[in-house]
Amino acid sequence: RKEVEQDPGPFNVPEGATVAFNCTYSNSASQSFFWYRQDCRKEPKLLMSVYSSGNEDGRFTAQLNRASQYISLLIRDSKLSDSATYLCVVNPMNNDMRFGAGTRLTVKP
Amino acid sequence: EAQVTQNPRYLITVTGKKLTVTCSQNMNHEYMSWYRQDPGLGLRQIYYSMNVEVTDKGDVPEGYKVSRKEKRNFPLILESPSPNQTSLYFCASSPGDRGRWNEQFFGPGTRLTVL
Repeated sequence: RKEVEQDPGPFNVPEGATVAFNCTYSNSASQSFFWYRQDCRKEPKLLMSVYSSGNEDGRFTAQLNRASQYISLLIRDSKLSDSATYLCVVNPMNNDMRFGAGTRLTVKP
Repeated sequence: EAQVTQNPRYLITVTGKKLTVTCSQNMNHEYMSWYRQDPGLGLRQIYYSMNVEVTDKGDVPEGYKVSRKEKRNFPLILESPSPNQTSLYFCASSPGDRGRWNEQFFGPGTRLTVL
């Protein structure tokens, strides 16, 4: 079993739709959680950290469920510019980072 | 401009020919790391460095070497490249303060092909 698993998609949604991605992780001692965004052939960039209480940044909401060992990302009112691959990142140890393989999102007009 | 730079951006080489991919950051970050990205596997950590002269193995260190003689530079060395090291490589850095140090800033990537 992979340490961090994501549905690879692709998710194809119309503009304005709400879409949600889940990510599961295997190490229950994991400390930190993140969502990164990666555009085609570009470097990953931090989208948002995921806090235990859940957090929101504009149209994006991230949730953490430690009991079930998953994190989620909700995107409301999807824009064409949201088309990208979304990477789930888990920090099982202080110096270590584990990336999921990514979920590809395409937002269509 | 705060950034992480990598060189070269693209490289085609042959099996066994030693190569170095350079990585440099101008943000005074303590933590630096190398990843490779392969289809379906996501990013996998090769080596990381907590500070000058401190390096540790990540998930997939075999066939790679690194050094951290200066804070800003973290080169990746392939002593004898093989075709299974064909991949997209990213260097990343992160600030050292524990509150934010896991936010990583990535370089633009180096696409390596080993024939």
